Amino acid sequence: QSVLTQPPSASGTPGQRVTISCSGSSSNIGSNYVYWYQQLPGTAPKLLLYSNNQRPSGVPDRFSGSKSGTSASLAISGLRSEDEADYYCAAWDDSLSGHVVFGGGTKLTVL
Amino acid sequence: EVQLLESGGGLVQPGGSLRLSCAASGFTFSSYAMSWVRQAPGKGLEWVSTISGSGGTTYYADSVKGRFTISRDNSKNTLYLQMNSLRAEDTALYYCAKGTTVITTWFDPWGQGTLVTVSS
Repeated sequence: QSVLTQPPSASGTPGQRVTISCSGSSSNIGSNYVYWYQQLPGTAPKLLLYSNNQRPSGVPDRFSGSKSGTSASLAISGLRSEDEADYYCAAWDDSLSGHVVFGGGTKLTVL
Repeated sequence: EVQLLESGGGLVQPGGSLRLSCAASGFTFSSYAMSWVRQAPGKGLEWVSTISGSGGTTYYADSVKGRFTISRDNSKNTLYLQMNSLRAEDTALYYCAKGTTVITTWFDPWGQGTLVTVSS
């Protein structure tokens, strides 16, 4: 049981816009930044978004993030086949004296 | 280019010990926090531990506290994870990841991981 809650799966067709939610609490998402990681099949995770909505260099602007209260979301517009991957949200948690909590991950399928 | 290369994984019996290493290059190692994150087969990501750049501050997940010790040798640009009293549930691919100059931030990039299997 993950501290952050994500839907286990999501899907969309090429060109569509999909969103993935991440729900937490006041001690994690509610008081800290949210990070999103993308894990392509058989590879190591990669930072996709930091500080709620900032894109590292090289991440397309098709990926965007938002946060409101104790929830966050990742949006992918203009869906492409290469976006098929597992997506994880994460945040530091103040209630656990320096802990990082991850969501359970969302497997995105491009139909 | 930042590179992180984990090593030290393998098969170990329950109750045994293992030390993982992560050789870093391409950045000023001592300035950055470093972390270990693991992924059990077919499962999601689980944060394990984080250490500050100086090594003076460490954080552990409850599931490993008291059994695992994170450390670093800034003269060798290497991060370590000493794992004792290993259990079957510690079986996972262990990734090391670079943080930032502030300990409580994101992980980027990640290494390719080293596999730890705890089994009799």
